[in-house]
Amino acid sequence: NAGVMQNPRHLVRRRGQEARLRCSPMKGHSHVYWYRQLPEEGLKFMVYLQKENIIDESGMPKERFSAEFPKEGPSILRIQQVVRGDSAAYFCASSPPTVGEKLFFGSGTQLSVL
Amino acid sequence: KQEVTQIPAALSVPEGENLVLNCSFTDSAIYNLQWFRQDPGKGLTSLLLIQSSQREQTSGRLNASLDKSSGRSTLYIAASQPGDSATYLCAVNAGGTSYGKLTFGQGTILTVHP
Repeated sequence: NAGVMQNPRHLVRRRGQEARLRCSPMKGHSHVYWYRQLPEEGLKFMVYLQKENIIDESGMPKERFSAEFPKEGPSILRIQQVVRGDSAAYFCASSPPTVGEKLFFGSGTQLSVL
Repeated sequence: KQEVTQIPAALSVPEGENLVLNCSFTDSAIYNLQWFRQDPGKGLTSLLLIQSSQREQTSGRLNASLDKSSGRSTLYIAASQPGDSATYLCAVNAGGTSYGKLTFGQGTILTVHP
């Protein structure tokens, strides 16, 4: 049973470009969460999704950031018109539909904005 | 707003020592608490999950305790080894509609030297 898969592992973008980060949850997991780890800061919650639904996006910046988890395929975190302050490690986690279970994290995508 | 604090921020010990990492949280209305390990440039590995109704959980040389009323958890590592060197994170889960919206501490950087 493969773990949470994130790609790419490293992503370099120039200011103003778009970044797309992908996350495939563990088999049998229908809940996906995105977290961001800024340099010298702790992990911060961004968004919680279930298939085709955004459940909680209270941690998402109001502009330029969006997330989706379609019926088929991976979850996508999209950052439009990236700025240097977006440089961070972005982690995806998944959990089964049963409440009370552990969250399992992927290895993250390190985004660097030049 | 939930705040999670971990003490100490960094710890360096010789191999073989038993050690304790501390985690405190401001809002005792938690659903569960999870301890993670993060290796440099990598994702998070879940170590132990303690439900709010539990007092402790054990896995191998690791033991985590939870005192929900006082807002504290400790991670005890017995007979430390160089391979235990990593950053240890605790995270609390508020549960309910916020399940999966973990609040993380800043972490304890552990170095075990031979």
